[in-house]
Amino acid sequence: QKEVEQNSGPLSVPEGAIASLNCTYSDRGSQSFFWYRQYSGKSPELIMFIYSNGDKEDGRFTAQLNKASQYVSLLIRDSQPSDSATYLCAVIGYNQGGKLIFGQGTELSVKP
Amino acid sequence: DTAVSQTPKYLVTQMGNDKSIKCEQNLGHDTMYWYKQDSKKFLKIMFSYNNKELIINETVPNRFSPKSPDKAHLNLHINSLELGDSAVYFCASSQDRAVGYEQYFGPGTRLTVT
Repeated sequence: QKEVEQNSGPLSVPEGAIASLNCTYSDRGSQSFFWYRQYSGKSPELIMFIYSNGDKEDGRFTAQLNKASQYVSLLIRDSQPSDSATYLCAVIGYNQGGKLIFGQGTELSVKP
Repeated sequence: DTAVSQTPKYLVTQMGNDKSIKCEQNLGHDTMYWYKQDSKKFLKIMFSYNNKELIINETVPNRFSPKSPDKAHLNLHINSLELGDSAVYFCASSQDRAVGYEQYFGPGTRLTVT
C-alpha cells in the first residue's frame, strides 16, 4: 500500500465547475496535510494546508480532512483554465522530522 | 529576490561522471531538503538538514552525498552518474523541521544522464 494515494487523472472539468481532488494516507499518526500545485516544468507551490478535522477555506479553495477515514480532499470552486496543473497531496507523519510524503499527483484540466 | 535558488537549471552529462547541484535559500530558514522527481512526476524526499545537521537520509545510493557548509546552503554531489539518475532534483527549505512549517521549493535542476 502506498503511503499517500491519489487518483492520477487526468481529471477534466468545465470552466466554472467545482473540481474535487482526493487523497488517502496510510499512517494514522500523520499530523499535517498539504496541497501543492505544480504547473508543467515548474516547482511545487503550496496552496493549502490543514491540521484539524473539518474544512478549511481560502478563497476558491477548500481543504477537507477526515482523520478517522484517513482522507483529505481539495475542492476548487469556479474552476478556471489557469487552475490546470498537477495537484500534489503531501503528508507529514508523527515524529518524521518534517519529512513530506507526496502522492503521485492528480492532473487537473479545466476546459474553457 | 529569489527565495530558494538552484544551479544549474539544466545539467546534461555522461554516465560515470561526477556532478554537483547547488542550492541556496535567503529566507533565514533552519531546514533544507533535497527531493527527486522522476519521469512519472513522483516527488520523493532524499535528504534533509537542520542547521547543518543531517536529519533525514532516505534509502538513497551512497553515490549521492549532500553537504551543508552553512544553514543557507545545501549542495548535492553525485558520483558515478547512472542513466537512472535522470530526473528533476528540487531543493526546498522550511523555517523549522517541526510539523506544519511550509516548505518552499526551488526551481529545480533537470539532470539528464546519457
